[in-house]
Amino acid sequence: ILNVEQSPQSLHVQEGDSTNFTCSFPSSNFYALHWYRWETAKSPEALFVMTLNGDEKKKGRISATLNTKEGYSYLYIKGSQPEDSATYLCAFIGNQFYFGTGTSLTVIP
Amino acid sequence: NAGVMQNPRHLVRRRGQEARLRCSPMKGHSHVYWYRQLPEEGLKFMVYLQKENIIDESGMPKERFSAEFPKEGPSILRIQQVVRGDSAAYFCASSPRTRTSGNTIYFGEGSWLTVV
Repeated sequence: ILNVEQSPQSLHVQEGDSTNFTCSFPSSNFYALHWYRWETAKSPEALFVMTLNGDEKKKGRISATLNTKEGYSYLYIKGSQPEDSATYLCAFIGNQFYFGTGTSLTVIP
Repeated sequence: NAGVMQNPRHLVRRRGQEARLRCSPMKGHSHVYWYRQLPEEGLKFMVYLQKENIIDESGMPKERFSAEFPKEGPSILRIQQVVRGDSAAYFCASSPRTRTSGNTIYFGEGSWLTVV
């Protein structure tokens, strides 16, 4: 089984602060990297699909970058809001989907 | 278009009993994945199936656990002789195909197994 690591494991930020967290993955046999948002008691939902080295994706206040050569992706949230509180999962797609353990974000009003 | 359907949502079993968890993928999806979320941990891959085939079961415990995805009907994750350590949330996900850029994976709402 492949290792996909996310850091930090959990994060508390004040409303309005910007934040970012990391997903590390093997740089070989890369096909795609996905970011998912997972709210408590709901199913994870896809945020971004990233396939090319240097990819940058943006959706509102959330953006992500990808470096396939060194095996990492960053997720950024600008001006965090309480509704951003969730666990953010990355998934490395090689032969199938390998998920990291997630970063649990709590935004304090 | 219904999403990924899992049932039961909650299941309580006594130690030694069998647990069967069902997953109906989204319409048109032929790939099913099972993940387990243990308390305080993330999603751990268990098994990847296509219709009538197990593609990757490297995450499945060697004993007591089995999975199938028959030609007709839902995918089933079966846990025999359950123990307390099997208590977890089991998530199923589906996708049309894995190796297609842009295809994401769609999750069911999970089945919570409690072993007493």
